[in-house]
Parts: sequence; C-alpha cells; structure tokens
Amino acid sequence: EDQVTQSPEALRLQEGESSSLNCSYTVSGLRGLFWYRQDPGKGPEFLFTLYSAGEEKEKERLKATLTKKESFLHITAPKPEDSATYLCAVQAGGGSTLGRLYFGRGTQLTVWP
Amino acid sequence: GAVVSQHPSWVICKSGTSVKIECRSLDFQATTMFWYRQFPKQSLMLMATSNEGSKATYEQGVEKDKFLINHASLTLSTLTVTSAHPEDSSFYICSARGPVWGEQFFGPGTRLTVL
Repeated sequence: EDQVTQSPEALRLQEGESSSLNCSYTVSGLRGLFWYRQDPGKGPEFLFTLYSAGEEKEKERLKATLTKKESFLHITAPKPEDSATYLCAVQAGGGSTLGRLYFGRGTQLTVWP
Repeated sequence: GAVVSQHPSWVICKSGTSVKIECRSLDFQATTMFWYRQFPKQSLMLMATSNEGSKATYEQGVEKDKFLINHASLTLSTLTVTSAHPEDSSFYICSARGPVWGEQFFGPGTRLTVL
C-alpha cells in the first residue's frame, strides 16, 4: 500500500535557526512529489514539484530535495511568517487513480521571534 | 495564475438539509478536480475525483449518494452534501489539476457545520 510519512509532527524553531523537514514515501512508480504549505483554516498552497531523484528546487528560504525514498524541505534562516503546516504528497503511477495525491499528515512548524 | 476558488467559505445548516459547495478554476481549464475532507490536525483525505462530463470516482468508504459531485464544465465542480448530519461537519477542500502534468492547485476550503 502506498504510504507517505512526515517527520517530525511538530517543530519549533527560533527565528534564524535553520532546519529540515522529512518526507519518506513508499509508492509504486513515483510520478511526482509535491510540497504544500497550509495555514490554519485555509487550503494548501503549492510550493514545489519534484519528479526524479537528485532534483532540487528553491524558493526564497525553502529548498526541496528528492532521493529515491525520501524528500527534505530545508528551511534556511526561518522567519515567524514561515510558521505553517507543511504537507508532502506523492503521485503514484501504476493502477492508481489518475492524478490522485497521497498526503502525509504534515509537519506543523512554529517559528518564534 | 492557477487560482481556485470555493464558495461558500463557511456554512452552517440544520441536520437533514442539503448543502452545495462550488469549486471554480478561475484562470485555467480543469478537466479533473478533486474533493478532499480534512479533520482538525489531520491530513487531507481524498473523497472523490471529478472529471468533466463524466461520473465522479469515489474513494472506498465514501457514500456517493450522500456526497453528490457534478463537474458540468471545465471550470466548475460542485459537491452537494445531502441530508447533512453533525458527523458531516468538516473542512472540505477542492483542488484542480493544473496545466502542468501532476500539479494540483487547491481552493481555500469550505467549513461546514451541521447543527
């Protein structure tokens, strides 16, 4: 069964303290791995798509990387406005419903001044 | 670009009534839209996949007679919760598959409270 596991469940950082969030996955034929940011009471906001091992993408203080078994979301010198829940999702090939995403439970990030 | 809207953003209704939620892709055409449900501090649970002009595909355990989905155009999908009960209270989120293969863009969500 396809699975996505995110760790840690919650992370508290002081402003400027860099860290990484982990997303490990077991899927049949990865088609893509996606990172989203979700603020309380809102829908997920798209951040990155990664398609193959070794791929990296950056956006401001965020950098996403992908290996064959996991992805990391690195946050460099975070600010309080980076506080949110970060969701990882994978899209599998094979017999999966076309385009469906399998979501992890998310990492709730809190950055305090 | 790639904006998805939902309406209403929140709704309160009495038990036994039906509620319709609209999901629109504002600046792109979406042949496929998805409906999710999210409980507090939980991740998104896919309810169904909606394809324009055809019947929706429901995930196992989701009652298709209770959660009616209509994808009548390339920019609009609707979810109707029929005969709503308090246990249907939740945060409902739609997404639309974007022009780049694999990407999904999410709406802001609809908070449903059934009294």
